[in-house]
Parts: sequence; structure tokens; C-alpha cells
Amino acid sequence: AQSVAQPEDQVNVAEGNPLTVKCTYSVSGNPYLFWYVQYPNRGLQFLLKYITGDNLVKGSYGFEAEFNKSQTSFHLKKPSALVSDSALYFCAVSFKAAGNKLTFGGGTRVLVKP
Amino acid sequence: SQTIHQWPATLVQPVGSPLSLECTVEGTSNPNLYWYRQAAGRGLQLLFYSVGIGQISSEVPQNLSASRPQDRQFILSSKKLLLSDSGFYLCACTGLGEKLFFGSGTQLSVL
Repeated sequence: AQSVAQPEDQVNVAEGNPLTVKCTYSVSGNPYLFWYVQYPNRGLQFLLKYITGDNLVKGSYGFEAEFNKSQTSFHLKKPSALVSDSALYFCAVSFKAAGNKLTFGGGTRVLVKP
Repeated sequence: SQTIHQWPATLVQPVGSPLSLECTVEGTSNPNLYWYRQAAGRGLQLLFYSVGIGQISSEVPQNLSASRPQDRQFILSSKKLLLSDSGFYLCACTGLGEKLFFGSGTQLSVL
């Protein structure tokens, strides 16, 4: 069975500093990996995905993530965080043989302080 | 691109009352459709998914049911709501490149 772990409930970072949100996964076969963001009182928005190819994936709002197969990780990063990046971030995994059902991590709340 | 309409945005229902949340999709045909529930401030749990009309898979045993009467319509229902059914419900569909598109969600409070 596939599973996703986000080990940090909350990440605090000062504005302008680099931001990292951790994600590790467990899945049989080749995974599809995703990051979604949920801003207060709004639905989920897609940030980026890894399907195949280059391990470094660039997404919306200046975010990027690196697929590391040996460490089964897909950490989300942003070189310089903004206060407006404060939100709830979800990592998710699926694979084609499972009908592309997404399994989500528990979420990590990011708080960027000015 | 896909657009998902989900309503109502908020709903307050008494314990024991029925529930019907509706989700419709535009901009695609034969999508995979999903209902997720999000516990207050925390993670997402897949409740149901559907790969076609009348085809429903349930991920967790619970007080809820789902139906797909039309290709782009997905309904979440309950005959009698429980307090534990409170939460934020999200409808979603898969689009190009395997990613999910989400509706705006329904905040359900069962009192």
C-alpha cells in the first residue's frame, strides 16, 4: 500500500529565508508525486508534480521539489519565503496501477514571519 | 481546463438529518472523481472515488455513501448524520498529467 509522511506538523521561517517542507513516501513501483497548497478558507491548489524525467521539478509561486529515489523523498523548497506563503502544504503520491488515487500526507503548516 | 463546482460552501445540519453534497465538473469528459474529507486543520482522507457512471469505490467504512448518476456529477450522501461527520469535504477530479483539480469545498458542521 502507498503511504506518505510529512514529519513536521509546522515549519516556521523568517521572510526572505529559505523554506523546506519535508515529504517521504512508500509505494510499490514508480510513484507520481505531487505538492498541493491550501490557503486559509480556500480549496487545495496544485503546486507541482513529478511524473518522470528530471529529478528537480519547478512549480508555481517559485516553489521547487527534488525527487530522491534512494531516500524516497520529495521535499518542497523555496529559496526565499514570503509572508504570503503561509499556508497548509500537502504532499501526495499515486501510481498508475492503483488507478491514480492520491494518498495524501498529513500536511505541514508553514508560517512565514515578517 | 477543468472547472469543479461544489455546493453548498457551508452547511449546518442537526445530528440524524440527511445529507446531500453535489459536485459537477466542466471541461472534461469521463473524469475520475473523488470525495475527500479534511479533519479540522489537518490531513486529507480519501472517502470515495469513481472511474465511471455508477462505479463507486469506498476507501473507508463510514456513515456516508456516494453516487455518480452522470458522467460529470458526483454526489456525497448520508441518511443520518453523526457528529463525527463534521469536516471539510472536497470534491476532486483528475486532469491532464495525473494531477487533481479540487472544488472549493464544503464546510459541514453537524450539531
